[in-house]
Amino acid sequence: EPEVTQTPSHQVTQMGQEVILRCVPISNHLYFYWYRQILGQKVEFLVSFYNNEISEKSEIFDDQFSVERPDGSNFTLKIRSTKLEDSAMYFCASSETGVNGYTFGSGTRLTVV
Amino acid sequence: AQKVTQAQTEISVVEKEDVTLDCVYETRDTTYYLFWYKQPPSGELVFLIRRNSFDEQNEISGRYSWNFQKSTSSFNFTITASQVVDSAVYFCALRSLGSGNTGKLIFGQGTTLQVKP
Repeated sequence: EPEVTQTPSHQVTQMGQEVILRCVPISNHLYFYWYRQILGQKVEFLVSFYNNEISEKSEIFDDQFSVERPDGSNFTLKIRSTKLEDSAMYFCASSETGVNGYTFGSGTRLTVV
Repeated sequence: AQKVTQAQTEISVVEKEDVTLDCVYETRDTTYYLFWYKQPPSGELVFLIRRNSFDEQNEISGRYSWNFQKSTSSFNFTITASQVVDSAVYFCALRSLGSGNTGKLIFGQGTTLQVKP
C-alpha cells in the first residue's frame, strides 16, 4: 500500500537554528498538508498546498514557516529560527482529491533545545 | 465555525469490556466527512474509518463499530471486547467541503484509552 514517507523520524536542533522537515507524498496525490502535534495535545492543521502554492494556512503558520515542493516529489516544511515551543511531532499528509486517500506519514519528532 | 469535541479525556477499562468513545462535531456545511484515527504509543496516526455526511449507516469492522447520527451531530466509536493492544489515543476529525476549504482536517482533543489486563 502506498505510503507517505517522512524524514528524519526524530530531529534535535538548537534554538534559533533553521530546520527542514522532509516528506515524500504518494505519487499521484495532488493535495499536501502539514500538521503539528505538541506532546499530549491534539493534532493541529498548519498548511495545505495545492497546484504549487499554499491554499490555506492556519494562525500557527507564521512568517517563520515556509513550505516548498522543490522537485515534484518532495514536500518540505522549513522553520527558519526555531523556538522551544516549536518542539512537537510534525505530520505530513497527502490526498488524491482532498478527501480520498487522505494519508498521514509517520511523523517527525522535532525537539528544540 | 467548525469544531470537534471529544469530551472524554481518558478512559480506563479492563480487558474484554466494551467501550464507547464519544465524538460531537459542529459544522454549517451540508457535505462533510468524519474520520477516526488511532495513535498508538509509537506516535503515528492510524486511519480507522471515514464517513461522509450522506451516509448514516452504521459500520462494523471486526470488534470496531461506529454510530453516526446527524440529528445529534455525533460519530461515536465502540470497541467490543477490548484488548490491551487497543490502548492508544483516539482522535475524531472533521473535513468540511464548504467553499474555501482545502481539505484540512479539524481534530478533536483525543481520548486516551487504557485497557488493563
